[in-house]
Amino acid sequence: GNSVTQMEGPVTLSEEAFLTINCTYTATGYPSLFWYVQYPGEGLQLLLKATKADDKGSNKGFEATYRKETTSFHLEKGSVQVSDSAVYFCALRDNAGKSTFGDGTTLTVKP
Amino acid sequence: GAGVSQTPSNKVTEKGKYVELRCDPISGHTALYWYRQSLGQGPEFLIYFQGTGAADDSGLPNDRFFAVRPEGSVSTLKIQRTERGDSAVYLCASSLNPGTGEKLFFGSGTQLSVL
Repeated sequence: GNSVTQMEGPVTLSEEAFLTINCTYTATGYPSLFWYVQYPGEGLQLLLKATKADDKGSNKGFEATYRKETTSFHLEKGSVQVSDSAVYFCALRDNAGKSTFGDGTTLTVKP
Repeated sequence: GAGVSQTPSNKVTEKGKYVELRCDPISGHTALYWYRQSLGQGPEFLIYFQGTGAADDSGLPNDRFFAVRPEGSVSTLKIQRTERGDSAVYLCASSLNPGTGEKLFFGSGTQLSVL
């Protein structure tokens, strides 16, 4: 079956530091890839997505590129802010419409 | 409604009791999903509806769990003979259609505690 593996947390960074959260996946066919974010006290919401190989998703300064050759979708941001503190989930959606999530990575950004 | 609505937000029950969790998706969304999330883990797929029918129920852990969506809108997740291990946050999500690239809109979840 499909699976998503993301780097374990928690991750603690100082403001303006560079962020990478690794994500790799296993799936048959050609899934779409997503990063969802959960801010404290809020529900899950979409951060960015990519629907085919070599696509780059971007939003709020975050980027991730769909790498089919390495089955990866790593999340990056050049300069994090305190307001980026949240739990980040990598996910894939297969051709049947079923979504599979990673276990989440907790990011804390300190001023 | 403006977003996915789940009720109740919290449910405390005793072992062996029956519970129902309700999800009201975004109007017009044909696909509806139920997930279960335990502390420190990602959402775990339970069941997905396309319209009124269950397109994939492979994530339901056993026959104590059942879900319906009789009119293709509101869905109810039903758990019989609850066990302490059923305690988790139950998340509902909807999307406009089940297409691969469609994003999910999540509700705030129901925190179920089985004592």
